[in-house]
Amino acid sequence: AQSVAQPEDQVNVAEGNPLTVKCTYSVSGNPYLFWYVQYPNRGLQFLLKYITGDNLVKGSYGFEAEFNKSQTSFHLKKPSALVSDSALYFCAVRDGNYGQNFVFGPGTRLSVLP
Amino acid sequence: DGGITQSPKYLFRKEGQNVTLSCEQNLNHDAMYWYRQDPGQGLRLIYYSQIVNDFQKGDIAEGYSVSREKKESFPLTVTSAQKNPTAFYLCASTTPGGGSTGELFFGEGSRLTVL
Repeated sequence: AQSVAQPEDQVNVAEGNPLTVKCTYSVSGNPYLFWYVQYPNRGLQFLLKYITGDNLVKGSYGFEAEFNKSQTSFHLKKPSALVSDSALYFCAVRDGNYGQNFVFGPGTRLSVLP
Repeated sequence: DGGITQSPKYLFRKEGQNVTLSCEQNLNHDAMYWYRQDPGQGLRLIYYSQIVNDFQKGDIAEGYSVSREKKESFPLTVTSAQKNPTAFYLCASTTPGGGSTGELFFGEGSRLTVL
């Protein structure tokens, strides 16, 4: 069975500082990994995904994520946080070998302080 | 522009009433999904459909029903049997298949409140 953990409910960072939102996963086959962002009362917006290849994936709005197979992690990062990055972030996993379903983590609320 | 349209954005229901949430997509995706979002619980899968006229129960299907008569449409009915229907409902779609690497595309959501 697939599962995703986001160990921090809340992350606070000062504007201009680097940010990291953590995600670990469990999947039987090849992991397809995704990050989404959600603003209040809105749907989820896709940020980036890892399917195969380079472990460092670059996505929208300056975000990037690093896939680490040995630690089964896929942490989201950004070199310099903006106040407008404040939102709810979800990590998701899908088993690339079989199964059609995406499993989401509980979400991490990011607050960027001016 | 291609995307997913959910309606209504906000819906109020009295106890004992059935309500239907609309989800329409023009992305030509075969697979469509319904998720429920509650504070602090992430997204939970209600139903999904890989192809027209076929759908499968997700983790929390009790009290919900769906239909998939057209590729573009995947309406969700919240029945009176759903004990705690107040939540934010999200529809999503993607390209299916074991070899697919596609991400989910989401609608803007429908917030249902039971009075």
